[in-house]
Amino acid sequence: AQRVTQPEKLLSVFKGAPVELKCNYSYSGSPELFWYVQYSRQRLQLLLRHISRESIKGFTADLNKGETSFHLKKPFAQEEDSAMYYCALSGGMDSNYQLIWGAGTKLIIKP
Amino acid sequence: KAGVTQTPRYLIKTRGQQVTLSCSPISGHRSVSWYQQTPGQGLQFLFEYFSETQRNKGNFPGRFSGRQFSNSRSEMNVSTLELGDSALYLCASSARPTGIGTGELFFGEGSRLTVL
Repeated sequence: AQRVTQPEKLLSVFKGAPVELKCNYSYSGSPELFWYVQYSRQRLQLLLRHISRESIKGFTADLNKGETSFHLKKPFAQEEDSAMYYCALSGGMDSNYQLIWGAGTKLIIKP
Repeated sequence: KAGVTQTPRYLIKTRGQQVTLSCSPISGHRSVSWYQQTPGQGLQFLFEYFSETQRNKGNFPGRFSGRQFSNSRSEMNVSTLELGDSALYLCASSARPTGIGTGELFFGEGSRLTVL
């Protein structure tokens, strides 16, 4: 079954420290993966997708097919990065092309 | 371009009642998805509509239903409300349906439902 796992419900790091939010997936085909972010009192919004290979707000995420992971990283955390982060997988025919969502990780950046 | 608009933003209902939530997608977007968001369960997919047809449905009971109109606006209905239905209901629109070449989902601010 296709699944997205975000093992940490809560991640707390100090400002300036590196951040890594983990996302593991199970999917037999070529996955399409996304990170969405929800800042306090704001809408859920796309942060980045693996096909873009972009760095958004200093965040990057590399698709590792061998480890079936799509971890989100930032070398130096900032207080404004505090938010809820969701990893999502665009499923194939097996899931009727649904978006499969992880449970989310709440990131808290301590001053 | 106006964003995704959801109404009402807040509502309080009692058990056994029914509720209808509305979502107006971004102009030109034909795909509308609905999600239930709770602190304990995170984002749970309800259903997706594209060009007035339900493409996908999540694992929710039949009390949860939806529809999409020819102008792409969508409504979801929950009948016989239960306490556990209290949640933030999010609507998202996209230019293409989810799946092959999934585009970005644009979310609304949500409708917060409280069931007493």
